[in-house]
Amino acid sequence: GAGVSQSPRYKVAKRGQDVALRCDPISGHVSLFWYQQALGQGPEFLTYFQNEAQLDKSGLPSDRFFAERPEGSVSTLKIQRTQQEDSAVYLCASSLGHAEETQYFGPGTRLLVL
Amino acid sequence: AQSVTQLGSHVSVSEGALVLLRCNYSSSVPPYLFWYVQYPNQGLQLLLKYTSAATLVKGINGFEAEFKKSETSFHLTKPSAHMSDAAEYFCAVSTGTASKLTFGTGTRLQVTL
Repeated sequence: GAGVSQSPRYKVAKRGQDVALRCDPISGHVSLFWYQQALGQGPEFLTYFQNEAQLDKSGLPSDRFFAERPEGSVSTLKIQRTQQEDSAVYLCASSLGHAEETQYFGPGTRLLVL
Repeated sequence: AQSVTQLGSHVSVSEGALVLLRCNYSSSVPPYLFWYVQYPNQGLQLLLKYTSAATLVKGINGFEAEFKKSETSFHLTKPSAHMSDAAEYFCAVSTGTASKLTFGTGTRLQVTL
């Protein structure tokens, strides 16, 4: 079956531009996670949805970051007024919903802010 | 709070040699532990996970890991390395109260002829 897909795969933005990153989870997966992976580092948690409810957004680095999942399926991570420090790979993962369940990751969106 | 420490950012082994990648965790509640592998320009793929059943967990591609509560460790091993094992490996922890994964900083495995 289809895995988690993300688009675009690569995004180059000028500092100050807004960007939107899309995640299509595995069909039927209740939970959806966003992670940020800086170069040479492990992924760091940004935010978590259970269906359409955003249950944890403690990892969002600033109020320029916003995520939504309005119908409990596709999710969008939006970054307003991008800064150079936002350059990273943004990973989306989905799972069946319990903490012990495997999170399946998409290929990521590599964002470069110039 | 939960955390993971991976000792050794780079590990180099010869093809056919034992692979040992170290992971220690910290958690105030019983943890769930995961090992993921990441190939260049790809997402993370699950190798294996511990969810409070058997302490010795077998995963894909011949990898296994043993949960040792007394040592707060979950080291990843493979008896014989293959060139295709060269990748970045991440240990991660979650708990019943926090589904999010907390990752270590990763270990890059190099396999030489």
